[in-house]
Amino acid sequence: NAGVTQTPKFQVLKTGQSMTLQCAQDMNHNSMYWYRQDPGMGLRLIYYSASEGTTDKGEVPNGYNVSRLNKREFSLRLESAAPSQTSVYFCASSVLINTEAFFGQGTRLTVV
Amino acid sequence: GESVGLHLPTLSVQEGDNSIINCAYSNSASDYFIWYKQESGKGPQFIIDIRSNMDKRQGQRVTVLLNKTVKHLSLQIAATQPGDSAVYFCAETIGGTSYGKLTFGQGTILTVHP
Repeated sequence: NAGVTQTPKFQVLKTGQSMTLQCAQDMNHNSMYWYRQDPGMGLRLIYYSASEGTTDKGEVPNGYNVSRLNKREFSLRLESAAPSQTSVYFCASSVLINTEAFFGQGTRLTVV
Repeated sequence: GESVGLHLPTLSVQEGDNSIINCAYSNSASDYFIWYKQESGKGPQFIIDIRSNMDKRQGQRVTVLLNKTVKHLSLQIAATQPGDSAVYFCAETIGGTSYGKLTFGQGTILTVHP
């Protein structure tokens, strides 16, 4: 039972490049989330998906798009990366919205 | 407790001591609170949660206290061990349509000395 799996673990992008961060969970959870973590600022919610087929903006959605591909997978896309998007990105899932969330190991993204 | 800026609050304790980590939450409408532990290079790990209809909840070696009057949350760790060294985050959320939007505090660095 892998829990929440994120790929890649590390990525370096040039300004303006695009990429998609992948997330999959094998716990049959309904809700999935994408957070970013910056030094001294805790975790901030980018987007979330309360259930398959729905997505909603979080606290810091600008510059990102998401796709809830199916119940297991929730991807985060950066269309045109900017240095301000350098951060550690965490995907999480929970049985239902507002229950205990389980986190992946994170993706460390650097935009140069 | 929480602080503004780039420097996380820190707490250093000796192995075997009890630790208390504090958190001041921002929204009086928040009704669900979670404590997470994050070790270096890993994602946050759930420790314990509490709903606003409770003042105290106990787990294994951990206790969470909630004071809604002053919007304060604390995590008590009994007999702290070196493996407890990590960054601890409190998170809050509000019921109704806003459910799921966990708002995290900045975190507190706990260092346990053998």
